[in-house]
This record gives sequence, structure tokens and C-alpha cells, in this order.
Amino acid sequence: DQQVKQNSPSLSVQEGRISILNCDYTNSMFDYFLWYKKYPAEGPTFLISISSIKDKNEDGRFTVFLNKSAKHLSLHIVPSQPGDSAVYFCAAMVIRGNTPLVFGKGTRLSVIA
Amino acid sequence: NAGVMQNPRHLVRRRGQEARLRCSPMKGHSHVYWYRQLPEEGLKFMVYLQKENIIDESGMPKERFSAEFPKEGPSILRIQQVVRGDSAAYFCASSRLMAAGANVLTFGAGSRLTVL
Repeated sequence: DQQVKQNSPSLSVQEGRISILNCDYTNSMFDYFLWYKKYPAEGPTFLISISSIKDKNEDGRFTVFLNKSAKHLSLHIVPSQPGDSAVYFCAAMVIRGNTPLVFGKGTRLSVIA
Repeated sequence: NAGVMQNPRHLVRRRGQEARLRCSPMKGHSHVYWYRQLPEEGLKFMVYLQKENIIDESGMPKERFSAEFPKEGPSILRIQQVVRGDSAAYFCASSRLMAAGANVLTFGAGSRLTVL
């Protein structure tokens, strides 16, 4: 049973346009959400996070939106650049429970020049 | 300020042999996590350790797998009598102790195990 789901295995976007990566979760106890980015042959690197007390967090070209009632979050990248081509993992955790991060399967983003 | 260091980066073993994967956390980080990524899958939690203690091993197979994080030296993930299904990328991550607030994990580059 997957607690964090990324239903789109891949996404292609033109350079300069918006990339929207989606993530759904089933565990209502999750209260902290993170996005990691992974290039081939490298480890995942932290990108952006959001606490459940917020519905939006922005960092430069990256914005994460959280809809708690729908148990859904999304990562927006505007404008998309070829260097953004990577696998993006959504992850979630319960802060107070000190539980490990639970990851989705990832979405492979390809930004086409 | 080196990041999380994992070695070897690539390891090839024959069925039945042992695999040992090492992880040195970031300086100042006292928590180590091991994750496994099977082909076409996401990162699956295996084990969470602090120095000399296993905190959570709920994701680790009960047989053949063990992990340690000794007082001195790196954390080691050990897989005995490897089988083809153990072929995967094994990622180590570390974090600083945070009393309140989330652990943002810093990952190593991974160790890719291939079992022939």
C-alpha cells in the first residue's frame, strides 16, 4: 500500500513553460511534505518543502501547493529550463512521530529546448 | 565540508556472496538512514540508525540484511547470501538532530549493487 503516490511516471514540457508535478497521499497524519530532485547516477537533493499549516511555499522558480482536504500537493516550476530535467520525488512524514520520510515513485520531467 | 559519502559506488557480487555498503554521514550529522531503490521504483525506507543504536528497522528484510552505525567509523549495510532480487541502488542519508521540525535528509550518491 503506497502512502505517497505520484501517478505520472513522466512529463514533457517545453522550455519556458510551466511544469506541474502532482503528488497524492493517503495518510492523514502526514504533516510535512518535501520534494527532492534526482539526476542520473546521483543521490536525491532536497528542493523545497511545506508544512501542513501552510498551503503554499515559494522559492524562486519553484512553488509547492498543498491541498490538505484533497490530500494532494503539487510542485510548479516556472519557467522550466532544460537543467530541470530530472526525476522528482515527493516525500512526506509525520514530524512528531519522528518517522522516516516516505517517498513516491517519482516523476521524470523532461524539459525540451 | 564533504557531503554524505558512500562507497563503493558500484559493487558486483555473485549469488550467495556478501555485500557490504558503507556510509559516512555529513559532519555534525548523527542520524543515518538507508533507502533502497529498485528499478522503476521509488525510494523505500530500510533502516534508521543513530550512533550505536538502531532506531527503526521496519523497512529492512528480516533475513540476510543487517545494519550498524558504530561509535567510530561509517555506517554499514550488510547483505548476506545475496540474491538477484537484491540488485538495486542503495542510498544513505543523514540528518542533524532536530528537536522540533522536520528532518531534511541529505543523501549520498548511492551504491549500485548488481548480483550476477
